[in-house]
Amino acid sequence: SQTIHQWPATLVQPVGSPLSLECTVEGTSNPNLYWYRQAAGRGLQLLFYSVGIGQISSEVPQNLSASRPQDRQFILSSKKLLLSDSGFYLCACSSGTKLFFGSGTQLSVL
Amino acid sequence: AQSVSQHNHHVILSEAASLELGCNYSYGGTVNLFWYVQYPGQHLQLLLKYFSGDPLVKGIKGFEAEFIKSKFSFNLRKPSVQWSDTAEYFCAVMVNAGNMLTFGGGTRLMVKP
Repeated sequence: SQTIHQWPATLVQPVGSPLSLECTVEGTSNPNLYWYRQAAGRGLQLLFYSVGIGQISSEVPQNLSASRPQDRQFILSSKKLLLSDSGFYLCACSSGTKLFFGSGTQLSVL
Repeated sequence: AQSVSQHNHHVILSEAASLELGCNYSYGGTVNLFWYVQYPGQHLQLLLKYFSGDPLVKGIKGFEAEFIKSKFSFNLRKPSVQWSDTAEYFCAVMVNAGNMLTFGGGTRLMVKP
């Protein structure tokens, strides 16, 4: 079965600093990959999804970007973090109609 | 695009009370429906899912949900909650044509012992 590794688990970054969150998947090939964000008091929001290497779709305009340099690697980045980027970020992987989640990253931008 | 609404943002119950969390979606075609739970400090976990067949779906830990197509609803129920059910619950919809899940805003359940 699929395993998703997501790191770091927690991160505190100053405003204006860069960001890189990494997600890798094991146990499957050519998965669909997703980045979700759960902001405080709000639900899970889909940020990006990818159906293959180098193929990224953005669901909402924002200060973040995503890249998929390898089949099972999905990276969430920012050049300059904003306060509003604080939240809980989840990587997910789908195979058929099954969705698997990583353990999440709690990002605090101060 | 589909959307999912969970009207109860916060629910507080005493142990042994019955639970019903509402979930409505907007999409006219075939959907797959899910309830996920996130216990404090833990990952999201799948509680139950509906793809087809019997609209009353049984999940883990005594939860069930009923798909009512005419009402575009997929409410989550449990006859008697326990303190350990304290968590955040998310309803989600997957349109048959793709694998993207659209989540509702979540309902935070607190069960008082």
